[in-house]
Amino acid sequence: DIQMTQSPSSLSASVGDRVTITCQASQEITKYLNWYQQKPGKAPKLLIYDASILDTGVPSRFSGSGSGTDFTFTISTLQPEDIATYYCQQYDTLPITFGQGTKLEIK
Amino acid sequence: EVQLVQSGAEVKKPGESLKISCKGSGYSFTSYWIGWVRQMPGKGLEWMGIIYPGDSETRYSPTFQGQVTISADTSISTAYLQWSSLKASDTAMYYCARHGGYCSTTTCPAWFDPWGQGTLVTVSS
Repeated sequence: DIQMTQSPSSLSASVGDRVTITCQASQEITKYLNWYQQKPGKAPKLLIYDASILDTGVPSRFSGSGSGTDFTFTISTLQPEDIATYYCQQYDTLPITFGQGTKLEIK
Repeated sequence: EVQLVQSGAEVKKPGESLKISCKGSGYSFTSYWIGWVRQMPGKGLEWMGIIYPGDSETRYSPTFQGQVTISADTSISTAYLQWSSLKASDTAMYYCARHGGYCSTTTCPAWFDPWGQGTLVTVSS
């Protein structure tokens, strides 16, 4: 199985900060990576697919980049409603695997 | 609006059987794969498997192969996840989600969107 390692596991930042989360795959996955947001008590929501494409309706402060094994997710200007856990997910090879999640809190 | 609506929370005893459901609406149910994802209490997301309702083709994660069965009933646009004998370790929230592409034997090149609201399964004696 492809292992997805997210960093950091948790993060505390202030409103207005730039926040970056990284995701590293244990082997090459080209661009086959998605990012999801899960708010407390809610189902996950797709934010970014194919490493860098913003899903419809997702605010432009969210962005993704990377290819191969190293990927980055960025919130350019943190908002209070961005409190959530964020997951990367690879779909290059079955089984589909997720990162362990990054819990984002507001300072 | 594309929507997946899951069945309600369940409380079961170890050894009991269970079948939870996921009803799709707002799109052609037979044309998209549907996946199931487990989230144990306080933990991350785990992909369990996926089904193509059009022909009932399935793919399972090795972790869940033989532990659960994924099925679908196209007449009512509903996918299912079932257990024949529950264990306490099956206690978790279970999500269904529509998959945006196709799945071969080795890859499912797309993303999950939208997701159902989740079904909480509690297994306790």
